[in-house]
Amino acid sequence: AQTVTQSQPEMSVQEAETVTLSCTYDTSENNYYLFWYKQPPSRQMILVIRQEAYKQQNATENRFSVNFQKAAKSFSLKISDSQLGDTAMYFCASLYNNNDMRFGAGTRLTVKP
Amino acid sequence: EAGVVQSPRYKIIEKKQPVAFWCNPISGHNTLYWYLQNLGQGPELLIRYENEEAVDDSQLPKDRFSAERLKGVDSTLKIQPAELGDSAVYLCASSPGTSDTQYFGPGTRLTVL
Repeated sequence: AQTVTQSQPEMSVQEAETVTLSCTYDTSENNYYLFWYKQPPSRQMILVIRQEAYKQQNATENRFSVNFQKAAKSFSLKISDSQLGDTAMYFCASLYNNNDMRFGAGTRLTVKP
Repeated sequence: EAGVVQSPRYKIIEKKQPVAFWCNPISGHNTLYWYLQNLGQGPELLIRYENEEAVDDSQLPKDRFSAERLKGVDSTLKIQPAELGDSAVYLCASSPGTSDTQYFGPGTRLTVL
């Protein structure tokens, strides 16, 4: 079974500090995509960052970057210079060639002033 | 560019009543998804459309749930009759094609009393 595991139900960070959210996944496929989505209290899922498994270079989007370790099947999200607006649920997800998207259970991140 | 639109945002009904949700995907997106999101969990796929064809409905409880995507654009998801356990958020997403990034709507929060 293809699963995504987020082992941190809740995390908190001080404003302007850096925080890393963990994600591991399990698949036997070689081609897939990995995502981090953010879901604020307004409920809309917003794409944060995307990584193609065939690319060795870690994806970055402004303050957001990933540490993609393909052999370890690990895909962590680093948020630098945390802002109050980063407070949300963060979901790690994997997408396979059959268009099967699997989500983790989420990590609730709170940025404290 | 407009995002994925869903309505209503909230719906409260009594058990055994019917309910319908509507989704308008991003223009030009051929693939449309309906997800169920229970409180504190990640989304789970109910059904996926490629244009007007339902290509993956294996997780859709067909005894009470139905969906349609006439003309391959808008989609409706129906529950009849609703049960207490159907209380959840119903998310719609769309993507340009298979194995593409999915973009989510704001969701419909259903409460069944």
